[in-house]
Amino acid sequence: GENVEQHPSTLSVQEGDSAVIKCTYSDSASNYFPWYKQELGKGPQLIIDIRSNVGEKKDQRIAVTLNKTAKHFSLHITETQPEDSAVYFCAASMNNNNDMRFGAGTRLTVKP
Amino acid sequence: GAGVSQSPRYKVAKRGQDVALRCDPISGHVSLFWYQQALGQGPEFLTYFQNEAQLDKSGLPSDRFFAERPEGSVSTLKIQRTQQEDSAVYLCASSLVNGGEAFFGQGTRLTVV
Repeated sequence: GENVEQHPSTLSVQEGDSAVIKCTYSDSASNYFPWYKQELGKGPQLIIDIRSNVGEKKDQRIAVTLNKTAKHFSLHITETQPEDSAVYFCAASMNNNNDMRFGAGTRLTVKP
Repeated sequence: GAGVSQSPRYKVAKRGQDVALRCDPISGHVSLFWYQQALGQGPEFLTYFQNEAQLDKSGLPSDRFFAERPEGSVSTLKIQRTQQEDSAVYLCASSLVNGGEAFFGQGTRLTVV
């Protein structure tokens, strides 16, 4: 089955700096890669996703890149703000939510 | 409601007790998923419903875990004879269709003592 690894497990940046979180996956059949943000006491919330037919997607300060050959994808957050502090999860699936597999998460802290 | 609602938010059970966790998905969402999230880990898939049909239960860790969605809306996850290793946050998510954006509830934190 699919195995998703995520690094780093914790990340601390200064407000205004960029943050990068990286994930690798094992199943070359996976073609959907969402990123979720989970704040304390809340459920994960989708912030951006990418499908295998594109290499990069951007939404304001957030971007995701995908390298299908290397089977890795990354989340980039620019101009970080304290409210970006949360746990971020990557995931991979073959386009069905019931086969979605999550990484272990990255705790991002943005220091004001 | 506007989002996925789960109850209770917190549940403390003595080892051996049965528990029932409830999920109210977004109205009209056909697909419903249960996940288990251990402390410091990502969510792990438990089971999936399309309307009232349970199409995938491959993630249920043992036969003590049982889920139902009898009318295709509200779902209940039941855990019988709870064990300490069952302690986790149980997340419910729904989507309009399988493969569509999944919306998660806040979860139920189960602590077995």
